[in-house]
Amino acid sequence: AQKVTQAQTEISVVEKEDVTLDCVYETRDTTYYLFWYKQPPSGELVFLIRRNSFDEQNEISGRYSWNFQKSTSSFNFTITASQVVDSAVYFCALSNAGGTSYGKLTFGQGTILTVHP
Amino acid sequence: DSGVTQTPKHLITATGQRVTLRCSPRSGDLSVYWYQQSLDQGLQFLIQYYNGEERAKGNILERFSAQQFPDLHSELNLSSLELGDSALYFCASSSIGLAGNEQFFGPGTRLTVL
Repeated sequence: AQKVTQAQTEISVVEKEDVTLDCVYETRDTTYYLFWYKQPPSGELVFLIRRNSFDEQNEISGRYSWNFQKSTSSFNFTITASQVVDSAVYFCALSNAGGTSYGKLTFGQGTILTVHP
Repeated sequence: DSGVTQTPKHLITATGQRVTLRCSPRSGDLSVYWYQQSLDQGLQFLIQYYNGEERAKGNILERFSAQQFPDLHSELNLSSLELGDSALYFCASSSIGLAGNEQFFGPGTRLTVL
């Protein structure tokens, strides 16, 4: 069985602060994929990044960066110089490649990020 | 805009009733997923279809059913509704429905059962 844990329920920061959202996953598969999605107040789910289990390179996209560490089963997300528009719920998700998963996503509980001006 | 459409956007109904939620996937995507988002359960996978065939089932209640039609749109039917079925229901689509395929989510249908 797979599981995703986002231990931080809510985080509150002031604009321009850096913030890291933690994600820890559990899976028995050796091939799997990790995702981050953003859910702004409007409610839709927006894809941010996908990582496969064989690629542990960190990724940076503008103010966003992701740190994938298989040794600790973690896939953390950092926002540098946060902005008010970053306020949203952020979800980490896991998709196993094996068995009958067929790409279904297992989501963490989400982290509510509030960025104050 | 993800390209996935869902109707209706909001639905208010009474306990015991039946409703149908509709989803049109992105052009070219063959696979459709349904997810339920509620305060107590979080985001949970319900069911997946690929090119008209059911492919994977998650925590979907027996009162719920779904299908994918030849034109690839999908419908999620919820019957004998209970208060606890109130939630945001998302449809997502992906190209071939395998692990690693990016899933594009629709705007969701917010169901309120009174």
